[in-house]
Amino acid sequence: AQSVSQHNHHVILSEAASLELGCNYSYGGTVNLFWYVQYPGQHLQLLLKYFSGDPLVKGIKGFEAEFIKSKFSFNLRKPSVQWSDTAEYFCALSGGGNKLTFGTGTQLKVEL
Amino acid sequence: EAGVAQSPRYKIIEKRQSVAFWCNPISGHATLYWYQQILGQGPKLLIQFQNNGVVDDSQLPKDRFSAERLKGVDSTLKIQPAKLEDSAVYLCASSLVAGGHNEQFFGPGTRLTVL
Repeated sequence: AQSVSQHNHHVILSEAASLELGCNYSYGGTVNLFWYVQYPGQHLQLLLKYFSGDPLVKGIKGFEAEFIKSKFSFNLRKPSVQWSDTAEYFCALSGGGNKLTFGTGTQLKVEL
Repeated sequence: EAGVAQSPRYKIIEKRQSVAFWCNPISGHATLYWYQQILGQGPKLLIQFQNNGVVDDSQLPKDRFSAERLKGVDSTLKIQPAKLEDSAVYLCASSLVAGGHNEQFFGPGTRLTVL
């Protein structure tokens, strides 16, 4: 079985603050890892993904994530958040086939 | 490129009624998924189609939920009869092919409220 845990359910930051959202997974085999974002009123869209190779992956809008296999983690980071980053962020895992297992999501609010 | 289309966007029904949702995936995408997203939770896969065949329906409550993709393009998801706990957003997604590394593209979802 595969599972994803996101520990921070709600995060509030001021503009220009640094962001790190935690994601841990459970799966015994090779994993594909994703971060999806849902801006207010919009549909889920892919932020970045990791399949293999360099464990530090860069996505859109200045986001990056680091895959640490020994810690079963795939944390999302951004050095300086903007008000427009206010959204819900989902970590997801695909351990086989194409079945995505999502975490419960983190609501990020960026204040001016 | 047009995205994944879903309708209706919102639906309110009473328990024990039936409801149907429609999804049109991105043109050329062979794989189609239906997810259920309950408030405060992440999306949960209900069913996955590869063309018009079912690949995974292990989490579909088959006593009340059904889905079809007859011509391998658009799809419908039906609930009959609905229960209060079915209140959720139903998301449709598609990907070019199956495979763990293929990006899934999501539609806007249908928000179902069961009273």
